Amino acid sequence: DVKVTQSSRYLVKRTGEKVFLECVQDMDHENMFWYRQDPGLGLRLIYFSYDVKMKEKGDIPEGYSVSREKKERFSLILESASTNQTSMYLCASTPRGGAIFSGNTIYFGEGSWLTVV
Amino acid sequence: AQSVTQLGSHVSVSEGALVLLRCNYSSSVPPYLFWYVQYPNQGLQLLLKYTTGATLVKGINGFEAEFKKSETSFHLTKPSAHMSDAAEYFCAVTPQSSASKIIFGSGTRLSIRP
Repeated sequence: DVKVTQSSRYLVKRTGEKVFLECVQDMDHENMFWYRQDPGLGLRLIYFSYDVKMKEKGDIPEGYSVSREKKERFSLILESASTNQTSMYLCASTPRGGAIFSGNTIYFGEGSWLTVV
Repeated sequence: AQSVTQLGSHVSVSEGALVLLRCNYSSSVPPYLFWYVQYPNQGLQLLLKYTTGATLVKGINGFEAEFKKSETSFHLTKPSAHMSDAAEYFCAVTPQSSASKIIFGSGTRLSIRP
């Protein structure tokens, strides 16, 4: 079974803290994604990576950075957490070519609920 | 830029009734199209997808969706709702120009009345 594991399900952090959200996938997927999910806004793409050390900005990259030093791991970093970053964060992965090919799909982690106080 | 619109943030139907969740995309070139379901406190699961071929796509749990190019739509249906269908549903697209990217709609919460 493919697994995308997000190491922290629930976190509470203080404003200004540096926050790391870790994601690991075990299927040797090339593509990895970070989304945030907010009520009424759906999933918005923060960053994605299509290979080790490669990254591209999504729709809402401001206030975030990412790191992909190993193929299986994609980290989301909040350099200085703010209350408007309180949200649910979802990590996902797909094989090269994305979810369009028969048999391919995007696999999601269970989500990380971050509260910034 | 490519976008996805889901009409209705909340849909409520009776058990046994038809489920219809609407999705429209904006693109001059039809993208690849997906429906995902999210149960409470879980990640997203793929229900079905359209890439090429037959425009009526059957997915898991009795759901199906029809790609209509003329209407730029990909509405999700199920003939008879079950209590276990209560969840949030997301329509998503992948532009043909960027096969690795997936853009999600804002989601529709489906409630089922006994």
